[in-house]
Amino acid sequence: KNQVEQSPQSLIILEGKNCTLQCNYTVSPFSNLRWYKQDTGRGPVSLTIMTFSENTKSNGRYTATLDADTKQSSLHITASQLSDSASYICVVSPTNNFGNEKLTFGTGTRLTIIP
Amino acid sequence: ETGVTQSPTHLIKTRGQQVTLRCSSQSGHNTVSWYQQALGQGPQFIFQYYREEENGRGNFPPRFSGLQFPNYSSELNVNALELDDSALYLCASSLALSSYNSPLHFGNGTRLTVT
Repeated sequence: KNQVEQSPQSLIILEGKNCTLQCNYTVSPFSNLRWYKQDTGRGPVSLTIMTFSENTKSNGRYTATLDADTKQSSLHITASQLSDSASYICVVSPTNNFGNEKLTFGTGTRLTIIP
Repeated sequence: ETGVTQSPTHLIKTRGQQVTLRCSSQSGHNTVSWYQQALGQGPQFIFQYYREEENGRGNFPPRFSGLQFPNYSSELNVNALELDDSALYLCASSLALSSYNSPLHFGNGTRLTVT
């Protein structure tokens, strides 16, 4: 069964600090992995996307890494800001073709930034 | 370019009732997917519509049904509401070409509470 597991479940850090969120997946075959940010009461917004041939992708203070051999990804947030408080969801797709029923979502990491 | 809009934002219904949720897709997008997101969980795929036809369905009973209109807007209908149907319902639009080149664009959801 295709699964995406994220850790930690929740995280609290001080403003200005860095943090790393983890995503392990068993989705096979694997095509691409995407990180989404979801603010409370809002829909998820795409941060980064990587295929199996990409090791790292950055979007401002967000840097995602991917190890397709170990089936692990991480999202690193640098110099955190209060606006980074949100849930971060890892989503894995087995195909580049349309067919969103094949997307597997993680349950997310709830990140809270405190001043 | 208009984003994905959903209505209503909040809704309270009684067990056994029926509900219709609406979604306007992002300009130029011809594929709409619906997701159910319980509190603290990742989104669960309900179904997808492409050019007015259902194209993929998740593990949801037939009382969950939908429509897509010629302008690519969509409706989610739920009959015989149950308490467990209480959740955030997300609509996402995309181009039906590639999950890599065209990420899901989510609306902010409809919060449904069944009492």
